[in-house]
Amino acid sequence: DAEITQSPRHKITETGRQVTLACHQTWNHNNMFWYRQDLGHGLRLIHYSYGVQDTNKGEVSDGYSVSRSNTEDLPLTLESAASSQTSVYFCASSRGSANTGELFFGEGSRLTVL
Amino acid sequence: EDQVTQSPEALRLQEGESSSLNCSYTVSGLRGLFWYRQDPGKGPEFLFTLYSAGEEKEKERLKATLTKKESFLHITAPKPEDSATYLCAVQAPAGNQFYFGTGTSLTVIP
Repeated sequence: DAEITQSPRHKITETGRQVTLACHQTWNHNNMFWYRQDLGHGLRLIHYSYGVQDTNKGEVSDGYSVSRSNTEDLPLTLESAASSQTSVYFCASSRGSANTGELFFGEGSRLTVL
Repeated sequence: EDQVTQSPEALRLQEGESSSLNCSYTVSGLRGLFWYRQDPGKGPEFLFTLYSAGEEKEKERLKATLTKKESFLHITAPKPEDSATYLCAVQAPAGNQFYFGTGTSLTVIP
């Protein structure tokens, strides 16, 4: 079955370290998204991509970067982790058709920055 | 500026006690409104898409409805396995971006 997987599921790091969260999907979807989920804020969009070599900033992109070198993967990098980036991160994908609205989410990556 | 507001934040129901969750939105030119279910420690799971006022969708004990300013998720005769957080999202007028509400945490007591 097609799926979307995230790794690691849990990570603890220190302030200032670089961290990369992996996201891999096997649906061959063009659109991929990274969200963070915090109490009181719901899911907030960090970065998104509509296809290979395409990346775009979301509403909370400061301190994060992504790259899209193939259809299956959209890794999220925190260049210099900060305590404010402690959160649960979700990767999602959707088909190229803009109106379906059906996002397929991964299981999430819980990041703690000490 | 909040674009999606969900209420109540939390809801406790007895098994079989029907109720409704609310999602109000301020996005103009709505391209779609979506309901997701999220279980603890899991990613959200898609439930419904609604595109225009008056539209209704049903799945088992759940029914979603849409007006020009809000959507309701009606839960009929809920069971304990319906306990989860229900998220509402709207699709931006342009592009594939989605704006999520903070969710309603539903607990169904046996």
